[in-house]
Amino acid sequence: LAKTTQPISMDSYEGQEVNITCSHNNIATNDYITWYQQFPSQGPRFIIQGYKTKVTNEVASLFIPADRKSSTLSLPRVSLSDTAVYYCLVDVSNYQLIWGAGTKLIIKP
Amino acid sequence: NAGVTQTPKFRVLKTGQSMTLLCAQDMNHEYMYWYRQDPGMGLRLIHYSVGEGTTAKGEVPDGYNVSRLKKQNFLLGLESAAPSQTSVYFCASSYPGYNSPLHFGNGTRLTVT
Repeated sequence: LAKTTQPISMDSYEGQEVNITCSHNNIATNDYITWYQQFPSQGPRFIIQGYKTKVTNEVASLFIPADRKSSTLSLPRVSLSDTAVYYCLVDVSNYQLIWGAGTKLIIKP
Repeated sequence: NAGVTQTPKFRVLKTGQSMTLLCAQDMNHEYMYWYRQDPGMGLRLIHYSVGEGTTAKGEVPDGYNVSRLKKQNFLLGLESAAPSQTSVYFCASSYPGYNSPLHFGNGTRLTVT
C-alpha cells in the first residue's frame, strides 16, 4: 500500500493557484516528501522535495507542517499545460518508493 | 544532453516471445531502475541497480531479468512474454544518496498478444 493519500482528481481554471494536499500519517523520521508530475505518454518529472517547513522553486512551493503528517503542493497561476497527474511520495530511499495513483489535475480555460 | 533514453518506444510481442528493452543515461548516475505502469495505477518497481555489475529485485520482479554491464546502460529482458506483461515500462536513473530525484525516460509501450 502507498504510504500517502491524495485526491484522485481536481479541477481548476487558468490563472488560479492550485493546492494539492497529501496525507502521510505514518511518515518516518528520515523520510523526505517528494512530488513528481507526469504528462500523458511521458515519464514522471521531479517537481520539488522537502523535509520540513516550506520549500520553493521556480515551479512550485511545498508546505510541510511541523508534525509532517501532511504536505501541500502549491502551483501558482496554473495554465492549461499544468494538466497532468501529480504524485506525492515519502520514503528514505528511492528503491523503497511506493507510487500511488496520484492526483489527476485538469486545468480548464 | 539526452538524459534517459529508452528503446524501442513501442513493441508488440506474441505470447512466449522474448525481447530486451534498452535504457541508456548520459548523466553519470550510479543508480538505475526499471518500472512498469498499468492503466490508472502508479509505478511499480521491477528491478534496480546501484552500480555497474549489480542488480536487485524490486516489488514485481517475476518474469523479468536485468543486466547492468556498463554504468550508462540498464537492460530489461522478458524471456517468455505473457499477456500480463502488457504495460508501459519506464526506466529511471539517479545519483546515490537518499531521495536523489529520479530522472525518467519516456517509456516503452509493450503489448503482448
